[in-house]
Amino acid sequence: QKEVEQDPGPLSVPEGAIVSLNCTYSNSAFQYFMWYRQYSRKGPELLMYTYSSGNKEDGRFTAQVDKSSKYISLFIRDSQPSDSATYLCAMSSLDTDKLIFGTGTRLQVFP
Amino acid sequence: NAGVTQTPKFQVLKTGQSMTLQCAQDMNHNSMYWYRQDPGMGLRLIYYSASEGTTDKGEVPNGYNVSRLNKREFSLRLESAAPSQTSVYFCASSEGGGQGIMTQYFGPGTRLLVL
Repeated sequence: QKEVEQDPGPLSVPEGAIVSLNCTYSNSAFQYFMWYRQYSRKGPELLMYTYSSGNKEDGRFTAQVDKSSKYISLFIRDSQPSDSATYLCAMSSLDTDKLIFGTGTRLQVFP
Repeated sequence: NAGVTQTPKFQVLKTGQSMTLQCAQDMNHNSMYWYRQDPGMGLRLIYYSASEGTTDKGEVPNGYNVSRLNKREFSLRLESAAPSQTSVYFCASSEGGGQGIMTQYFGPGTRLLVL
């Protein structure tokens, strides 16, 4: 079993939809939770991060962490075609700089 | 600032050939990383360098060597390329230090095809 599981998709939604992207994990030592966005043929770029449990909002994006369920989510409101990309979750524990990545979910938002 | 740069962008090798992938960062970061990305496998860490002069193996180090030439540069070498090493390779860097969240900044990637 992988430490981090993520549905690869693809997920196809109409413009304006609310998108929910999710990851589950097995390592209870994870404390930092990140979402990276990767456009086609580009390197990943950090979208959002949270520490421990709770929610964090940034514009149309909301990241949620439920440590009791070992489950994290990224919500995208009013999705736009420019949001079409692969979204990777990543996690790490307190004592390391290394990240463990999910496999990524490919999202397509059509006009 | 250029951020993280990688060369070459694309390379075709024959089985058994060797090559070095170059990576440089201009953000004065301490930590640097090499990943490979394959369909359905996500990003997997090959090697990691916490500081100049130190390197550690990641999840998939077999068939690779690395050199942290100085604080800016971290190279990845394939001594005898195999078709299983066909992949997209990403270099990344972060401030490091293991203190709090350390954002990793990625380069544009090198696409490697081994025939």
